Amino acid sequence: QVQLVESGGGVVQPGRSLTLSCAASGFTFSTYDIHWVRQAPGKGLEWVAVISYEGSQKYYADSVKGRFTISRDNSKNTLYLQIHRLRPEDTAVYYCARGQAGYEYLDYWGQGTLVTVSS
Amino acid sequence: DIQMTQSPSSLSASVGDRVTLTCRASQSITTYLNWYQQKPGKTPKLLIYAASSLQSGVPSRFSGGGSGTDFTLTISSLQPDDFATYFCLQSYSYPYTFGQGTKLEIK
Repeated sequence: QVQLVESGGGVVQPGRSLTLSCAASGFTFSTYDIHWVRQAPGKGLEWVAVISYEGSQKYYADSVKGRFTISRDNSKNTLYLQIHRLRPEDTAVYYCARGQAGYEYLDYWGQGTLVTVSS
Repeated sequence: DIQMTQSPSSLSASVGDRVTLTCRASQSITTYLNWYQQKPGKTPKLLIYAASSLQSGVPSRFSGGGSGTDFTLTISSLQPDDFATYFCLQSYSYPYTFGQGTKLEIK
């Protein structure tokens, strides 16, 4: 069955960097675009970034452009999100989600990893 | 960027009621509109994709409609398990954008 498992969250000081990972299984990872979505405590969902199946195309939300970097290693079935210059407003649960070709909806989601930015 | 606006922000209803939630896009997104259900502490669950296609395993009491800028999610007969927050997501162009959510509560 399709599984996406995020890791790498934790408590981080403002201004520091962090790398999140998303390990995929149960499907051919290298043929799907993968997204990051975040949710601040008690708030709605915010789309963060996407990377194409082969890694050549990347798109970001305006709110994270220049500080976040999405990447993938298809040989390891793993997606990454590097977050630089962390801000308190980056505090959120970060989900990875698979993009379904065609209408590009997000069909399978991981359970999320919590990032807390606090001194 | 495309802005997505959901209404109402919250809704109180009873088991057995028929309810309709609305999502409006700031420009045409044809039928690139998806609906998700989220319960507290849980991962979002895909209900409807491409405006009106029911995701596998989702009960048939859920239905979606609309095209262009105006979309609806209808629950034909509310069940206790349906009380949750519902989000719409446009996948027409990047950056993707979610609506702010509609919280469906028990009356």
